Amino acid sequence: KQEVTQIPAALSVPEGENLVLNCSFTDSAIYNLQWFRQDPGKGLTSLLLIQSSQREQTSGRLNASLDKSSGRSTLYIAASQPGDSATYLCAHLGGSEKLVFGKGTKLTVNP
Amino acid sequence: KAGVTQTPRYLIKTRGQQVTLSCSPISGHRSVSWYQQTPGQGLQFLFEYFSETQRNKGNFPGRFSGRQFSNSRSEMNVSTLELGDSALYLCASSSGTSGPGETQYFGPGTRLLVL
Repeated sequence: KQEVTQIPAALSVPEGENLVLNCSFTDSAIYNLQWFRQDPGKGLTSLLLIQSSQREQTSGRLNASLDKSSGRSTLYIAASQPGDSATYLCAHLGGSEKLVFGKGTKLTVNP
Repeated sequence: KAGVTQTPRYLIKTRGQQVTLSCSPISGHRSVSWYQQTPGQGLQFLFEYFSETQRNKGNFPGRFSGRQFSNSRSEMNVSTLELGDSALYLCASSSGTSGPGETQYFGPGTRLLVL
């Protein structure tokens, strides 16, 4: 069974801190790895998508990396802000051609 | 371009009833996928429709069904509702023509509460 694990489940940091969210997946086949943001009671906003042929993607203060050999991805957030507070989900698209989601990391950035 | 829209946004039903949720994809998108999100199980894939045909499905009982119309709008139906069906139901759209690796765009979801 394909599984995606996100660590930690929750994280609280002071404003301005750099932080890393972790995601690991068990399916060795991969089309892409995506990171999403979800605000309370809302849908998902796509942040970054890393194709299987890529090692990383950057958007503003966000950088996501992909290591297929170890089955891991990280999301790096630089200079965190209170507006970054949300749940961050990673999703793996592998051989089943269905997105498999982790349970998310709930991030709180304190002013 | 308008985003993915879902109706209704909130719904309260009682056990044993059935419910129909609607999703309108981004204009020009032909693929619609449905997901269920619960606190315990997280986000789980229900099924995907492309050009009015179910192209992929997850591991949900037959009480969960869907369909897609010629204008790409999709509906999801849950029959004989159970308390455990209380969840946020999300749909996502994509062009459906660029292979399985293309970005999906999510709607705001329909929150279903079963009493």
